Amino acid sequence: TQLLEQSPQFLSIQEGENLTVYCNSSSVFSSLQWYRQEPGEGPVLLVTVVTGGEVKKLKRLTFQFGDARKDSSLHITAAQPGDTGLYLCAGDDTDKLIFGTGTRLQVFP
Amino acid sequence: EPEVTQTPSHQVTQMGQEVILRCVPISNHLYFYWYRQILGQKVEFLVSFYNNEISEKSEIFDDQFSVERPDGSNFTLKIRSTKLEDSAMYFCASSEAGFEQFFGPGTRLTVL
Repeated sequence: TQLLEQSPQFLSIQEGENLTVYCNSSSVFSSLQWYRQEPGEGPVLLVTVVTGGEVKKLKRLTFQFGDARKDSSLHITAAQPGDTGLYLCAGDDTDKLIFGTGTRLQVFP
Repeated sequence: EPEVTQTPSHQVTQMGQEVILRCVPISNHLYFYWYRQILGQKVEFLVSFYNNEISEKSEIFDDQFSVERPDGSNFTLKIRSTKLEDSAMYFCASSEAGFEQFFGPGTRLTVL
């Protein structure tokens, strides 16, 4: 069974701080997607990384796919209260996504 | 921007009753999925559907579950005889090429 572990599970920071969320697996994925989920809503796709070592930037968010395509990280620069939410990584396993355990981020003004 | 829609947003049912959850995927997408998320837990894959047949299903997707694409726009998930443990958020997702998946807002199913 493929598992994706995210760390930390919870993160509370002040506005303006930087943070990094990690997504790790013992399995290789053909691609990995990052989602953000608000309470009571569906996951919203942020980015897809495909190539080992790939780095993608989305404004203040930087996503990296590990060289071996087993792990990924999400770095947020100068966090804002609007970044508050649940961040999920999901590995592409052919006909399905395997979701990570999630990182709940709270950014205080 | 095109989006996946789901109805109803909330469904309350009695144990043993049948429910049908409805989804309208993004119009040019060919791959369809159902996932569920029990409160406080991970999003779990249920089933994938392509070319009018199931591509893959999880252990959760037993004989009580079925999926159908009755017309060119809808994609449904039926639970024949609901159990208490079926209470969860059910998400429909669609994909153009089986790559990036886009999720709907979900249906909250409560089984009493």
